[in-house]
Amino acid sequence: GENVEQHPSTLSVQEGDSAVIKCTYSDSASNYFPWYKQELGKRPQLIIDIRSNVGEKKDQRIAVTLNKTAKHFSLHITETQPEDSAVYFCAGGGGADGLTFGKGTHLIIQP
Amino acid sequence: NAGVMQNPRHLVRRRGQEARLRCSPMKGHSHVYWYRQLPEEGLKFMVYLQKENIIDESGMPKERFSAEFPKEGPSILRIQQVVRGDSAAYFCASSPHPSGNEQFFGPGTRLTVL
Repeated sequence: GENVEQHPSTLSVQEGDSAVIKCTYSDSASNYFPWYKQELGKRPQLIIDIRSNVGEKKDQRIAVTLNKTAKHFSLHITETQPEDSAVYFCAGGGGADGLTFGKGTHLIIQP
Repeated sequence: NAGVMQNPRHLVRRRGQEARLRCSPMKGHSHVYWYRQLPEEGLKFMVYLQKENIIDESGMPKERFSAEFPKEGPSILRIQQVVRGDSAAYFCASSPHPSGNEQFFGPGTRLTVL
């Protein structure tokens, strides 16, 4: 089955700086890679996703890149704001086995 | 279009009691996934259901846990004879796709076992 590794587990950045979270996956058949944001006590919310036929996708301040050869994908948040503080989860899958989630990155935006 | 609904939001049980957690998927979604989340940890897949069928229960403990998604009504995750280690947040997600793409999560049920 799929195995998704996520790094770092905690990331602290100054407000206005960029944040990058990285994930690797093991199953070359995986073709769908979403990112979820979870605020304390709330549900995970889908913020962006990418499919394997695309190398990069952008939505305002967030972007995701995918390197199929190396089996890794990354979340980039630019011009970080206090409301970006949350736990971010990557996931991989899209085949018969569904999604496998990373363990999460706790992003802290320092004022 | 209402999102994924879960109830109850909070559930307290004593050891040995049964817990029943309900999940109503988004309209038009026929694929339901249940996850368990322990404090400060990620989402652990438990089970994937379609209407009247369990497709993948590889993440579900073999004993005391069961899930169903009947033709009518919500999906139910049932935990019998709860123990303290069952205390966690249980999230369900629904998707319009059989591949697990585009899963949308409910607000979760926070189970506390005393």
